[in-house]
Amino acid sequence: GESVGLHLPTLSVQEGDNSIINCAYSNSASDYFIWYKQESGKGPQFIIDIRSNMDKRQGQRVTVLLNKTVKHLSLQIAATQPGDSAVYFCAENRGTSYGKLTFGQGTILTVHP
Amino acid sequence: ETGVTQTPRHLVMGMTNKKSLKCEQHLGHNAMYWYKQSAKKPLELMFVYSLEERVENNSVPSRFSPECPNSSHLFLHLHTLQPEDSALYLCASSQDYQNGYTFGSGTRLTVV
Repeated sequence: GESVGLHLPTLSVQEGDNSIINCAYSNSASDYFIWYKQESGKGPQFIIDIRSNMDKRQGQRVTVLLNKTVKHLSLQIAATQPGDSAVYFCAENRGTSYGKLTFGQGTILTVHP
Repeated sequence: ETGVTQTPRHLVMGMTNKKSLKCEQHLGHNAMYWYKQSAKKPLELMFVYSLEERVENNSVPSRFSPECPNSSHLFLHLHTLQPEDSALYLCASSQDYQNGYTFGSGTRLTVV
């Protein structure tokens, strides 16, 4: 069936490097996408979102890119810091009613000092 | 602390016990959700409430019983659980369905 998935389950980077976390989605009707960060012992925290009428959106040190042609979403973190170490989830909104936000499995990002 | 507060943070219960998880949101949102998070699995939607009315029940066993007395509070009543129900239970809220969810920190449930 359709799903949201991540290409890489783990990513290790050095402090100061840029990180890229990828996500593939298969529902072409999805119109809204979100990246969440989940630190150990905490709930998922909203990072950045993007709607399907955009290709790119920037936040503070983060950028989300949406490629609708290949159904691909990415999160770029600039100058990665140890505090960025966490699990990152992408989520897609598949419908026009409540509860249609579907989450991927997550990528573990580890930042080495 | 986020705008969504969950209590307790940790809960250990026997299979014959009855307990309740509580969630409160201070954001004025009009929808609330219960999710289950198990190791190495995506978040699983359990229940959705919109304006205190249940709009989604995702084939959850009857040993889980939600309650939404008002738009700010959500409960999950637990009874005769199984060890495989051990997981992190997350509450979330949103304003309408087109926007992102704000999650609480979760209740780590262990069934013994």
